[in-house]
Amino acid sequence: AQTVTQSQPEMSVQEAETVTLSCTYDTSENNYYLFWYKQPPSRQMILVIRQEAYKQQNATENRFSVNFQKAAKSFSLKISDSQLGDTAMYFCAFILTTSGTYKYIFGTGTRLKVLA
Amino acid sequence: DAGVIQSPRHEVTEMGQEVTLRCKPISGHNSLFWYRQTMMRGLELLIYFNNNVPIDDSGMPEDRFSAKMPNASFSTLKIQPSEPRDSAVYFCASSFWDTIYFGEGSWLTVV
Repeated sequence: AQTVTQSQPEMSVQEAETVTLSCTYDTSENNYYLFWYKQPPSRQMILVIRQEAYKQQNATENRFSVNFQKAAKSFSLKISDSQLGDTAMYFCAFILTTSGTYKYIFGTGTRLKVLA
Repeated sequence: DAGVIQSPRHEVTEMGQEVTLRCKPISGHNSLFWYRQTMMRGLELLIYFNNNVPIDDSGMPEDRFSAKMPNASFSTLKIQPSEPRDSAVYFCASSFWDTIYFGEGSWLTVV
């Protein structure tokens, strides 16, 4: 079965500190892409960062970076210098590419609260 | 690009009424998805179109739900008749290759 597990339903972090959100996934496929999406209280789903499974180098986007461990099927998100605007639900997701179609699998989310 | 556009943003309707949610995907994207999000069930994929053809509708909860994509720039999700348990945020999303982009969602309340 193809699954995504986010084991931390809720987390909090002090403003300006660093926090890491965990994500593990299970697939027997070799070609896939991994994502983190952010959903603030407005409910808009916003792409945070993207990682190709065939790339060993971890993706970074400003204060957001990932620790991708393919063998362990782990894809954690690190937020540095946390800001109040980072308060949101964060979803880990991966997509499988099979015969030109795409199947997206989302985790259940981690609710992050940044404290002033 | 304008992004994925959904309408209405908010809808309150009475039980038994028909509800139609609309979506305009990002121009050039060939895949379109309808998701439903509730507190209880999280984010659920309802249906997925590729090149306007429904590929996977296994997530459509029951016959009251139907979705169409008559052309590459428009899709609808219809609920008829609506029930209070259909209250949720409905997201439309589109993609061209591997990255999916979401609309702002349609908040549906059925009373």
